[in-house]
Amino acid sequence: NAGVTQTPKFRVLKTGQSMTLLCAQDMNHEYMYWYRQDPGMGLRLIHYSVGEGTTAKGEVPDGYNVSRLKKQNFLLGLESAAPSQTSVYFCASRGLAGTQDTQYFGPGTRLTVL
Amino acid sequence: GQNIDQPTEMTATEGAIVQINCTYQTSGFNGLFWYQQHAGEAPTFLSYNVLDGLEEKGRFSSFLSRSKGYSYLLLKELQMKDSASYLCAVKGSWGKLQFGAGTQVVVTP
Repeated sequence: NAGVTQTPKFRVLKTGQSMTLLCAQDMNHEYMYWYRQDPGMGLRLIHYSVGEGTTAKGEVPDGYNVSRLKKQNFLLGLESAAPSQTSVYFCASRGLAGTQDTQYFGPGTRLTVL
Repeated sequence: GQNIDQPTEMTATEGAIVQINCTYQTSGFNGLFWYQQHAGEAPTFLSYNVLDGLEEKGRFSSFLSRSKGYSYLLLKELQMKDSASYLCAVKGSWGKLQFGAGTQVVVTP
């Protein structure tokens, strides 16, 4: 049981390049979330999904797109990377109410945009 | 507006007790989480309060007062491994979490 995994762990991009971050969970969770974490600002929600085939915008969605084609995967895309998107990106998943209500986080992807 | 405030940094001695306060003003409230995050690692779950009162889990306790928009995390018998950032997060609709900026706890020998 790997929990939540993220690939890649590190990436350096040039301004204007594109990339996709992959999040995978093996806990059969319905809900998945993408956050970014910047120094002094805490984690901020980018996009989230309440089930396969559904996505919604969070607090800071501009410059990002997401897809949830399979229940276990949640992809975050940057179409044209900008230096302001230099950050640590965390994916999280959560089951339905009860003991599965907690969000479990992946190890993070450290992205630098030059 | 929406706001979650917690102190930036706290320092305490090994074996001591530290209390990290969190105040919040949010448009929706479905519970409050505390997470621990060591440098370079992912946040890990510590506690969850949805009703007023104290929840105790070993050396860690968390308290919630919904009427005051206030929570605290109490760390007892501090150990060096407790040096980390502690994140307060309010749960809104669809389980979305809104985080404070985190409190860096430094434990000294």
